[in-house]
Amino acid sequence: DVKVTQSSRYLVKRTGEKVFLECVQDMDHENMFWYRQDPGLGLRLIYFSYDVKMKEKGDIPEGYSVSREKKERFSLILESASTNQTSMYLCASNLNRGPSYGYTFGSGTRLTVV
Amino acid sequence: KQEVTQIPAALSVPEGENLVLNCSFTDSAIYNLQWFRQDPGKGLTSLLLIQSSQREQTSGRLNASLDKSSGRSTLYIAASQPGDSATYLCAPQGVMNTGFQKLVFGTGTRLLVSP
Repeated sequence: DVKVTQSSRYLVKRTGEKVFLECVQDMDHENMFWYRQDPGLGLRLIYFSYDVKMKEKGDIPEGYSVSREKKERFSLILESASTNQTSMYLCASNLNRGPSYGYTFGSGTRLTVV
Repeated sequence: KQEVTQIPAALSVPEGENLVLNCSFTDSAIYNLQWFRQDPGKGLTSLLLIQSSQREQTSGRLNASLDKSSGRSTLYIAASQPGDSATYLCAPQGVMNTGFQKLVFGTGTRLLVSP
């Protein structure tokens, strides 16, 4: 069964800490994505990557960076965590092969910044 | 900019009813459209994907239709069960300026099916 795995289900971090959220997929997908989900705002795209070492900003990249050193792994980095980054973070991937290929999502990481 | 609206925002029904969830989107230049299910505190599970050239897709008790020109999709759930209780999200996939595909989500329909 194909999978997108997020390393942590729950994280609690302090304001100002550097935080790493890890995502691994086993489907050899080219594209990987990071979304955050907040009540009333839905899912919003933070960053995405279409190849190793390639990245593009999404709709809300401020305060975040990403790293993709290997095809299967896409990391989201909060350089200096703030309380307004408390959220559910969702990683996704898909094949860049045409309209019959959809997205596969991970189970999410609930991050609380105190 | 693509905007996605899902109606109703919440729905509570007794077990056994047939349901229709509605999704509308403003930009009809889409690649495909996915319907997802999300259980509380969990990730998204893909239910159905309809390509832009298709009119509908079926999986078990679920049927999704797409009218791209009018910017509408519906998810039909037959003979609803308590296990169907979840939030249902519609996500058309469009093409960004970079040429890559982007999912845009609605805020979902929260469904509660009571025994």
